[in-house]
Amino acid sequence: SQTIHQWPATLVQPVGSPLSLECTVEGTSNPNLYWYRQAAGRGLQLLFYSVGIGQISSEVPQNLSASRPQDRQFILSSKKLLLSDSGFYLCAWSPALAGDEQYFGPGTRLTVT
Amino acid sequence: GENVEQHPSTLSVQEGDSAVIKCTYSDSASNYFPWYKQELGKRPQLIIDIRSNVGEKKDQRIAVTLNKTAKHFSLHITETQPEDSAVYFCAAVYDKLIFGAGTRLAVHP
Repeated sequence: SQTIHQWPATLVQPVGSPLSLECTVEGTSNPNLYWYRQAAGRGLQLLFYSVGIGQISSEVPQNLSASRPQDRQFILSSKKLLLSDSGFYLCAWSPALAGDEQYFGPGTRLTVT
Repeated sequence: GENVEQHPSTLSVQEGDSAVIKCTYSDSASNYFPWYKQELGKRPQLIIDIRSNVGEKKDQRIAVTLNKTAKHFSLHITETQPEDSAVYFCAAVYDKLIFGAGTRLAVHP
């Protein structure tokens, strides 16, 4: 069966520091991968999605970037964090061919101080 | 672009009552409509979905209905239990998943 991992689970970072969040998927090949952000008590904001290695689409212009160096690895980065970057970051995957179901990872709770 | 509106934003019911959450979508080409349940501090979990060639789907106490003409779909939870308390998100897919803003459901014993 498929499994999606995210780390770290929680992170506290000062303003201006860099960020790297990692997501990996097991048990499937060529998945579509997604990064979402959820502010406290709010909905899901799609940040980036990828349909293959090196293919990244950005939904919201901001100081974040994403990379997909391997088929089942998706990385979210920032060179300098802002206070507004605080939130719950969720990675998700969906089958490339079988349908549109999306499955979420356990998330990373980021607090920027 | 695609837009999904979800109502109500909060819903409070007594245990055993039914709960209904409604969503409307804007793109008539949308063909897949999932519902997610998110408990406090946890990831959203897919609980039920429906495709555009089906009008209704049931899974035990939950059901989803789709009206393609009116471009709206609804989640129905019967015999609610305290463990149903969570935030529920609807979504619609055309080329990617677009989420509604969420409904916070509270089931009181």
